[in-house]
Amino acid sequence: GAVVSQHPSWVICKSGTSVKIECRSLDFQATTMFWYRQFPKQSLMLMATSNEGSKATYEQGVEKDKFLINHASLTLSTLTVTSAHPEDSSFYICSANRPQGVGEQFFGPGTRLTVL
Amino acid sequence: GQNIDQPTEMTATEGAIVQINCTYQTSGFNGLFWYQQHAGEAPTFLSYNVLDGLEEKGRFSSFLSRSKGYSYLLLKELQMKDSASYLCAVSSGGGADGLTFGKGTHLIIQP
Repeated sequence: GAVVSQHPSWVICKSGTSVKIECRSLDFQATTMFWYRQFPKQSLMLMATSNEGSKATYEQGVEKDKFLINHASLTLSTLTVTSAHPEDSSFYICSANRPQGVGEQFFGPGTRLTVL
Repeated sequence: GQNIDQPTEMTATEGAIVQINCTYQTSGFNGLFWYQQHAGEAPTFLSYNVLDGLEEKGRFSSFLSRSKGYSYLLLKELQMKDSASYLCAVSSGGGADGLTFGKGTHLIIQP
């Protein structure tokens, strides 16, 4: 199957700092990547759709100025959580569609963010 | 709006069969996915249904009825490693759209 990586796998930061999470498609080009957030014992919630070479599309209720997304190339999307606060602590997961697939999304291993 | 319902938790016995149901009401429909997620890990793809009927893949099968907004995931010959959360997700648009997930069903396998 297609491989999607994320870095870092976990991060602990102080309140008010910014954290950048990278998502890479390792063996295919992804014009579209997706960012999800998952709180404990809850399901994945789509935050935004990252489009290569254009602005991301954010879901309702997600602050675009707080969660900055950059899709610099066909294999890399980054999510920056700016001025992080404890309520931003969550499991952040990216995914990408393989162009030749049936539409299933391949997920990265996730990044656990803890804001102190 | 989007609404996907599935049971919160189910328990089954090793070697047995279990069926996890999912009902959905979405503004569009371009396929239904089942994912398996172990605690602290990312979801892994299990199945995809876009037409009515049963799709079989080894010990796992998935069924879809679009007219009823209903799907189920059937797991046979249960193994202890099948203990995980099973997520039902719907694609409302094309490949450029994100998925809407249900809250997941936590499956516990007992010896």
